[in-house]
Amino acid sequence: GQQVMQIPQYQHVQEGEDFTTYCNSSTTLSNIQWYKQRPGGHPVFLIQLVKSGEVKKQKRLTFQFGEAKKNSSLHITATQTTDVGTYFCAGGTSYGKLTFGQGTILTVHP
Amino acid sequence: DAGITQSPRHKVTETGTPVTLRCHQTENHRYMYWYRQDPGHGLRLIHYSYGVKDTDKGEVSDGYSVSRSKTEDFLLTLESATSSQTSVYFCATTGTDSTDTQYFGPGTRLTVL
Repeated sequence: GQQVMQIPQYQHVQEGEDFTTYCNSSTTLSNIQWYKQRPGGHPVFLIQLVKSGEVKKQKRLTFQFGEAKKNSSLHITATQTTDVGTYFCAGGTSYGKLTFGQGTILTVHP
Repeated sequence: DAGITQSPRHKVTETGTPVTLRCHQTENHRYMYWYRQDPGHGLRLIHYSYGVKDTDKGEVSDGYSVSRSKTEDFLLTLESATSSQTSVYFCATTGTDSTDTQYFGPGTRLTVL
């Protein structure tokens, strides 16, 4: 079945450093979504990308969808302590299934 | 956040007992999902529903059953709880398209002793 792999599993950064997490699918995706889960909380939707090569920005967050629609990345510029949490990608397929990656746990040291 | 509640929020039970978790939504969403979250495994789909009385298995369905008799309620039952089912369980919903944004409930922390 479809697999969505996400790396790294953990990332520790100093406040102010940049952070990137990568998501790779074994199959072509119809869309990619990104979620953030704060410690002790539930996943919350951040953004959805649909088009090949699409790039979207939300303040310090930049999301990219690969040309082949099989990979994606989330980049955070100048991390802050409020960025801590787990970031999940989720890939949608043409037959109506959404598969989550394992998540990247981000720790930001002040 | 969408109007999704889960009950109970915390539960401790013993091996071999049946347990039912409830997910309730007020958004009239068609699709509902049950996930479990464990360290190192992310979110794994247990079962999902695409309408009243229409359910299907996810990737980790063994030992779990579900029921959906009303649009707003999706029940997850552990028929005979085992320690390996100790986890955090999340319910999620999606509106019109199964690959659209998923809205998550607050989660239920289940401990099986």
